[in-house]
Formats: sequence, structure tokens, C-alpha cells
Amino acid sequence: NFMLTQPHSVSESPGKTVTISCTRSSGSIASNFVQWFQQRPGSAPATVLYEDKQRPSGVPDRFSGSIDISSNSASLTISGLKTEDEADYYCQSYDSSNGNVMFGGGTKLTVL
Amino acid sequence: QVQLQESGPGLVKPSETLSLTCAVSGFSISSAYYWGWIRQPPGKGLEWIGSFYHGGNTYYNPSLKSRVTMSVDTSNNQFSLRLSSVTAADTAVYYCARVDGFHFDYWGQGTLVTVSS
Repeated sequence: NFMLTQPHSVSESPGKTVTISCTRSSGSIASNFVQWFQQRPGSAPATVLYEDKQRPSGVPDRFSGSIDISSNSASLTISGLKTEDEADYYCQSYDSSNGNVMFGGGTKLTVL
Repeated sequence: QVQLQESGPGLVKPSETLSLTCAVSGFSISSAYYWGWIRQPPGKGLEWIGSFYHGGNTYYNPSLKSRVTMSVDTSNNQFSLRLSSVTAADTAVYYCARVDGFHFDYWGQGTLVTVSS
């Protein structure tokens, strides 16, 4: 199985743009879709992106996703940062050959 | 509206078996979706435990496979998790979720299970 590596923490000011990376250790990032979850303290994770870049209903278009084959990574970009975006963010993917699911270690986003 | 709700003992003794149930409402558990369990130790990240398809494949995290069993109760529209030989390292918030493809699209609120004597 592969691992997904995220930065431990990022911080940015309100109104700015931040990007959180998720690097796959082996195999191509393009082989399997990547999902992104937002988790606020005391709450269950909630999807902000699925299938690399699709937004569920209700998620603002300030949230966008992409993959970069050259760095073998996926990215979550949040523009026009709001204090309510402060949370932990997790990427998730899977190995379709054996059904195993992997989560990244999570990134704590601070909006200050 | 799909809703999931975990239930079970909040305290389990070391070496015993952890048992949790996930009650699903607003959607039939027999439909064409996978269902899964994820856990999160206090202050740490998410860990996938396993996923199953009613009447089909079951996938377990290789690191937990020897101790995990998942089952389904279609008459009550719920599914269950059993984790045997628990230790303090199994202390975590346990979540159940619906899985669309490999996307966990609906989650329960989570239930904290503490392993302690």
C-alpha cells in the first residue's frame, strides 16, 4: 500500500488563499480518486471535495481541487479564507487492486 | 436524508472484544453501496478499519484484519463492528459511514470507546 503525506499545519490570513498538498508515496496519484474532508473540533469529518475536484452540494466554490502528476500529489485550495474555514483537513484515497483505503495524516489550518 | 448513528459500550476492558452497531435511516443498507468503519484516536488522525458490501466483498485494514469482523443486519437496517483483543491503542472515536465508490459520503457522529481496566 501507499501512504499519503500532508503538511502538519498551515496558516494564512482571512481573505487570502491557501493550498494544502497530499503526496502519494508510490503509484500514480492519477490512478485513484482523492477525496478531501474538513473536520472541526468535536465533529465528524465532512466532504469538501470528492473525485479529485468535485464539490458536494453546499460546499462553496472557494474550495477547489487538483492533481499534479509531476509531484505525484493532490491539492486542496481554499480562496477567500474565512475564519470558519479553520479546521483539520484530511485527504483520502484508495488502492483499487485490494480495496484498501488510505487517509493522509491531516493538516491543521489556522486562519489568523 | 441518510443518517447513521453509532452505539455501543463506551468502556471496554483490555483483551476483551469491542462491539459497535451503526443504525442507518433514510436509506436501505441492502442497496448498492458499501458501508464502512473509520476510527480516530484522541488528538490523532483518521484510520480506516474496513468496508463491506452487503452480500459481496469485505475489505479490512491489513493492520487490523486479524482482529476485525463486520456484519450486517438487514432486518434492522444496521451493521456492526467487532474488534477483538483490544488494548489501550484501540481507544478512539469510532465512526460508521456510507461509501459511494471509495468516497465516505455520509458519516455518523462518532462514538468514543475507551479501553481501560
